[in-house]
Parts: sequence; structure tokens; C-alpha cells
Amino acid sequence: DSGVTQTPKHLITATGQRVTLRCSPRSGDLSVYWYQQSLDQGLQFLIQYYNGEERAKGNILERFSAQQFPDLHSELNLSSLELGDSALYFCASSVTGGNYEQYFGPGTRLTVT
Amino acid sequence: GQQLNQSPQSMFIQEGEDVSMNCTSSSIFNTWLWYKQDPGEGPVLLIALYKAGELTSNGRLTAQFGITRKDSFLNISASIPSDVGIYFCAGQEDSNYQLIWGAGTKLIIKP
Repeated sequence: DSGVTQTPKHLITATGQRVTLRCSPRSGDLSVYWYQQSLDQGLQFLIQYYNGEERAKGNILERFSAQQFPDLHSELNLSSLELGDSALYFCASSVTGGNYEQYFGPGTRLTVT
Repeated sequence: GQQLNQSPQSMFIQEGEDVSMNCTSSSIFNTWLWYKQDPGEGPVLLIALYKAGELTSNGRLTAQFGITRKDSFLNISASIPSDVGIYFCAGQEDSNYQLIWGAGTKLIIKP
């Protein structure tokens, strides 16, 4: 158990809908990262937050947004969902904003039908 | 952007065999991390390397930070069935604090 929690574990929704994925980092970690992993693919970095502020952006679509709250938990919002958005979404956390060792949550499996 | 070249893409191994995989970059890195991902699970950090030439073990796993700072190796000795999964390398450049990920090496046990 990495100490990073993600909810929900599974999510099934229809095209055009909007969903919110939630992540709580390890105790003491200030930085949160979001990744997307499509079937049999690698990890695609989406976005990073550090202590409530956006730190870095990767290949995140404009339909997707995220935020980190004062208690350091983070939410990833996915809107106008398309079939191609079906994937595993992982949250990771690290102590600092400088990456180094990232610890991953169990993921949320999103299925768009 | 910067890419990591991770090889091999997949490996078929027999139980008891030693396994070796590597990652190379075109630029100098100051950190190398190795992760393992089981199907449907989140990646788990296996080994972290911070110094050129560093050799670190975690049970049957051994990883090395290449002396050129452009590569890293992961070896698994005497493989067992639970070693199957995808192994990812990740590294951090001197000039960019973003973590860069390899595409993964898929380890499969021969029937």
C-alpha cells in the first residue's frame, strides 16, 4: 500500500458526460501528479500540482482540468467524454515539487460507453 | 520532447532465468527510478538511483546508474512467476525537473 488513495476504483459513464476523479496523497506529500494509461500503453503525464498551485502540464486535453485543495487532495475533472478517454487514471504523490520518487495510487478505471 | 529508450519492449523468460533490461537517454540525467506495474494496478517504486555509478539492490533486483549518466540497467536474478508485469524506467534531467518515462518492458513467463 503506497498510502495514496483514489476514488472511485471503477467508473462507467456515457459519451458527453462529465466525471470527477479524486486523489488523496500520502501523508506529508505536497505534490500530486495525474497520469493517463490507455490499454497496453505507457504512462502519459497529464498535470502536476504542488501545494495547491499548478506546477507543470503535460499532454492534458482542454476538456480535462484539475485542482489541488488546501488539504492537498486533488480532483481531476473530465468533461465532454469521448470513447477514447476510456483508460486507467493514476494519481501519484511526492514529498516535494521536484518529482524524484513518486508513489502511485491504485488508479481509477474509466469506461466511456 | 525528451524520450527514454527502454528495451527490450517485451521478454519471454523461463522461471529461474536472469533478466536484464535497460533505459537510455540522449541527455544527462540526475535521477533514475525503476517501477513495476502489475495488471490493473498502480506502478510500484522498486529502486531509486541518484548518483552516477550507483549500484542498488532490492532483493533479487539490482539496478545501476550508468557512469555516463545517460543510461540505467535493471537486472532480476532467478526470476519467479510473480516477476511478470511491466517494468518502467523514469528519469530526471539536470535541466528539467520533470520526470520522463520509458515505454515499459513487459515480462512474460514462458509456459
